[in-house]
Amino acid sequence: DGGITQSPKYLFRKEGQNVTLSCEQNLNHDAMYWYRQDPGQGLRLIYYSQIVNDFQKGDIAEGYSVSREKKESFPLTVTSAQKNPTAFYLCASSIAPGVEGNEQFFGPGTRLTVL
Amino acid sequence: KNEVEQSPQNLTAQEGEFITINCSYSVGISALHWLQQHPGGGIVSLFMLSSGKKKHGRLIATINIQEKHSSLHITASHPRDSAVYICAVGSLLAQKLVFGQGTRLTINP
Repeated sequence: DGGITQSPKYLFRKEGQNVTLSCEQNLNHDAMYWYRQDPGQGLRLIYYSQIVNDFQKGDIAEGYSVSREKKESFPLTVTSAQKNPTAFYLCASSIAPGVEGNEQFFGPGTRLTVL
Repeated sequence: KNEVEQSPQNLTAQEGEFITINCSYSVGISALHWLQQHPGGGIVSLFMLSSGKKKHGRLIATINIQEKHSSLHITASHPRDSAVYICAVGSLLAQKLVFGQGTRLTINP
């Protein structure tokens, strides 16, 4: 079955620690995205990648880092510099670059809680 | 003012009722998306449309480009339709998807 997987589903972190969220897709999509969802707010774009070895900052990139060494993988690291990291994180992908129009397919999400 | 506004924010109805969720936007768009998010958190794409109307089962989505408005309708609603419904637009200016806050729908049996 083709799709997007994110792991883990729930993640707990102590304040001051970096943590990496996994996102893998086997849809052969070129573009991948990371979003953050907070209660009562729309999804906000953290980073996106239109092609391997390239990525761009989204609206709220501060305190986060990404890599895109393989087409199918786009891990997100939440660093200790992120002031309020507790949130629900969603990964998505689309067939081609062009953030504005292509249908995006979403993973199941990772809920990160900082203790 | 948000670029994408949804109404209502919360909606509770009885099984069988006809449901309408509205989405208004203020930017030029390439397409509008309706998404469904279940309590577990995963998001499913329901529709992507740039004009007119689309239908899938009991779900109907319409868009009026001139009025910058879209509606999602659910006919013969069922408790399994309970979810958060999210409107998102492909913004030509921002070159990205812009999301509404979502509408939490609860259908009681």
